[in-house]
Amino acid sequence: AQTVTQSQPEMSVQEAETVTLSCTYDTSENNYYLFWYKQPPSRQMILVIRQEAYKQQNATENRFSVNFQKAAKSFSLKISDSQLGDTAMYFCAFMNWGSQGNLIFGKGTKLSVKP
Amino acid sequence: DAGVIQSPRHEVTEMGQEVTLRCKPISGHDYLFWYRQTMMRGLELLIYFNNNVPIDDSGMPEDRFSAKMPNASFSTLKIQPSEPRDSAVYFCASSLGGRDTEAFFGQGTRLTVV
Repeated sequence: AQTVTQSQPEMSVQEAETVTLSCTYDTSENNYYLFWYKQPPSRQMILVIRQEAYKQQNATENRFSVNFQKAAKSFSLKISDSQLGDTAMYFCAFMNWGSQGNLIFGKGTKLSVKP
Repeated sequence: DAGVIQSPRHEVTEMGQEVTLRCKPISGHDYLFWYRQTMMRGLELLIYFNNNVPIDDSGMPEDRFSAKMPNASFSTLKIQPSEPRDSAVYFCASSLGGRDTEAFFGQGTRLTVV
C-alpha cells in the first residue's frame, strides 16, 4: 500500500522569505502523480502544483516549485517570496496512474507566514 | 461551472439521528469521491464512483455509512445512526478521469454529532 509522510507538522516563515515543505512517499509503482494541495482557513482544498512521475523536470507554478527525487521518493514544495495569503495547511498527495483521482494524502503541514 | 457543490456546509445533529450529506459534481466529470477529514486520521477516501457506479467502498468505516449516486449530477453520503466519533469534515470531489486526473474539491460539510 502507498503511504505519504509529511514530517513537519508546523512551520513558520517571514513574509518575502523562502520556505520548503517536505514530503516522502512509499510505493512500488513506477507511474504515478504527486500533488501539493493548500487548505486555507476557509477549508477549501486548492491544488497548488502537480508532478507526473515520468517527467524528470520539476514542476513550477509561479512562486511554487517542487524538488522531485524519484529514486529517493521525495517530493518537497518550495514557496518563494512568501505572502501572508500563503498561510494554510499544505497536504502532499499521491495518486497511482489510472486511479482517476483517488488520492492518498499526508497528514499535512501547517504553514504560518509572519509579517 | 460553479465547481463541486456540497450541502449543507455545517450540520449539527444529535447522536442516533440520521444525517445526509449531499454533493453535486462538476458537469461532465465521470468520477466522484467522498473523503473524510479528522485531526487524528487526516484525509481518508471513503468511497468513489465511476459513471454513477460504486467502484471502491473499502474506506467506508462501517455499515452505518452508505453512499449513493442515483445520477451523474448528484450523490449522497448517509450516516444512520450517527455517533459523536463521526464528527469530521466530509469532502466531495470529482474528476474527469483519463490523463487529466485533477480532482476538484467541494468546500466540505462540517458535521458535529453531539
